[in-house]
Amino acid sequence: EVQLVQSGAEVKKPGESLKISCKDSGYRFTSYWIGWVRQMPGKGLEWMGIIYPGDSDTRYSPSFQGQVTISADKSISAAYLQWSSLKASDTAMYYCVTSGSYLDAFDIWGQGTMVTVSS
Amino acid sequence: EIVLTQSPGTLSVSPGERATLSCRASQSVSSSYLAWYQQKPGQAPRLLIYGASSRATGIPDRFSGSGSGTDFTLTISRLEPEDFAVYYCQQYGSSPKTFGQGTKVEIK
Repeated sequence: EVQLVQSGAEVKKPGESLKISCKDSGYRFTSYWIGWVRQMPGKGLEWMGIIYPGDSDTRYSPSFQGQVTISADKSISAAYLQWSSLKASDTAMYYCVTSGSYLDAFDIWGQGTMVTVSS
Repeated sequence: EIVLTQSPGTLSVSPGERATLSCRASQSVSSSYLAWYQQKPGQAPRLLIYGASSRATGIPDRFSGSGSGTDFTLTISRLEPEDFAVYYCQQYGSSPKTFGQGTKVEIK
């Protein structure tokens, strides 16, 4: 059974950098897409972007293009979401998700990583 | 960008009753690439319906999806206590893959 295990909660200061991870415990890492979804406190879901670890093809939502970097390391079945300079408005829960193809729904969700940015 | 508008914002229903949730798109959703997710407090969302009407693995048949084009519906035929949650629709046929703002189903 595919499971996505995300890295633990983070507390950071504005301006700091951060990279959170999502590891796949299954066997199909290079044959499906991994995306990231943001959920700000008390708010709805926002799609940030998606990567195909097999060839690192990456697509971003215009709202997040240039604000974050999505990457993957297929040798260790891990995907990453990275910020170079955090803002307080980045405080949110971040979920990694999988889909079998680019045009599939998100069938598996990670447990979420809470990122808190506060001075 | 396709904007999804869910209604109502909150739905108050008694256990055993039927719940009907709506999701309207600002433009046609290609090939019915429309999904529904359930989220309970403190949990990650869970896929319920994909392709507008196909149930995901392990989803009870009291959940059903319908619709095409710009109008979609999630129906829960007989609400169980564990169904009280927030429900989101999502279109994944065009980028960005947008979500609706959610409908909270609460106990009446």
